[in-house]
Amino acid sequence: SYVLTQPPSVSVAPGQTARITCGGNNIGTKIVHWYQQKPGQAPVLVVYDDSDRPSGIPERFSGSNSGNTATLTISRVEAGDEADYYCQVWDSSSDLWVFGGGTKLTVL
Amino acid sequence: EVQLVESGGGLVQPGGSLRLSCAASGFTFSSYEMNWVRQAPGKGLEWVSYIGSSGRTMYYADSVKGRLTISRDNAKNSVHLQMNSLRAEDTAVYYCARGGIDSFYFDYWGQGTLVTVSS
Repeated sequence: SYVLTQPPSVSVAPGQTARITCGGNNIGTKIVHWYQQKPGQAPVLVVYDDSDRPSGIPERFSGSNSGNTATLTISRVEAGDEADYYCQVWDSSSDLWVFGGGTKLTVL
Repeated sequence: EVQLVESGGGLVQPGGSLRLSCAASGFTFSSYEMNWVRQAPGKGLEWVSYIGSSGRTMYYADSVKGRLTISRDNAKNSVHLQMNSLRAEDTAVYYCARGGIDSFYFDYWGQGTLVTVSS
């Protein structure tokens, strides 16, 4: 089955840019979605279809996808961005939805 | 406002059964695909099951195939997950999640219901 690989943790100072990667074999040929999950809360969709933002999500959140890596970029990081972030794709070869293992973003 | 409210979780013995429900409101339920996603304590997200808008198409993760059954009632705006032959590794918070239109993401999630499988 298709595997998505994320770094367990990323740390960044307030005001800086955080980049969270999601690796997969030829992931650039798939469509990637990203979720934010704060402790004790349900996940929230922050980027869909590689780079689109749902209404209500700040422009500071952006996504890209090429080759073997998709990236969620959070500009001008704030303390409130501290959360777990998950990438997700649909694997058409198996009709399964796949999540990455998640990345804990720490704001220093 | 879109709302998804799960119910039915609880403590069950290994080998037992449980039926989860998700009540939907704030959107035309019959037009949307629905999913169940779970999260074991301290672990990441795992997609569990999908059901198409009409209820005719279902998919399951390999880890639950043959033991869990998804269904929906479009007249009552609800989706269900019948869980049989439960194992300790099924212990998790189970989230109901709405499928995105024309794409394979989850745009709204419920708050989840905890299922604990233990003797």
